Amino acid sequence: ETGVTQSPTHLIKTRGQQVTLRCSSQSGHNTVSWYQQALGQGPQFIFQYYREEENGRGNFPPRFSGLQFPNYSSELNVNALELDDSALYLCASSRRQGSGGELFFGEGSRLTVL
Amino acid sequence: AQSVTQPDIHITVSEGASLELRCNYSYGATPYLFWYVQSPGQGLQLLLKYFSGDTLVQGIKGFEAEFKRSQSSFNLRKPSVHWSDAAEYFCAVGATLGGGADGLTFGKGTHLIIQP
Repeated sequence: ETGVTQSPTHLIKTRGQQVTLRCSSQSGHNTVSWYQQALGQGPQFIFQYYREEENGRGNFPPRFSGLQFPNYSSELNVNALELDDSALYLCASSRRQGSGGELFFGEGSRLTVL
Repeated sequence: AQSVTQPDIHITVSEGASLELRCNYSYGATPYLFWYVQSPGQGLQLLLKYFSGDTLVQGIKGFEAEFKRSQSSFNLRKPSVHWSDAAEYFCAVGATLGGGADGLTFGKGTHLIIQP
């Protein structure tokens, strides 16, 4: 059983650019959540996808968008990058059952915006 | 709105000594409570979780946590720490195991340093 994998592991962008981060869910999982972890902070919920639709969203602007594919993998897209977008972006997958299953996190994609 | 407070930013403990990390939460209903650990450059690993039942829950790596509703606390404990326990520890609260539509709300974390 493979775990949650994220790519790329590190990337550097400049302000105003766009970025796409990718996440492959753990086998058997059908829900993906994305979190942003700024340096020295706890993770903050960005959004969750289930059945290819956004299922909930935290306090993030619309320039943060996502996709979930039929194989349950997911992308996080951030447009018009700002310096404050520099963070570790964590993807977590889970098996949705009743009240929702436990989250399993990937190791993250570290984004630096210059 | 839900929130989590971890009052200690850093804690230093000698190897073999006992450990307690504090967590206080604010939540409107009965919450799911979690403790996660994050080693440098790694993702989050779930140590333990609580929703109902026995208020003392056992987790992996010898950790346990006690839920105290009257104090809105969910403190993490370990009787004897090992050098490999050095990491960042996060307390979190949510509506479901997976956080649901509002996701999990995390505290800012406690950095645990182990002295030889």
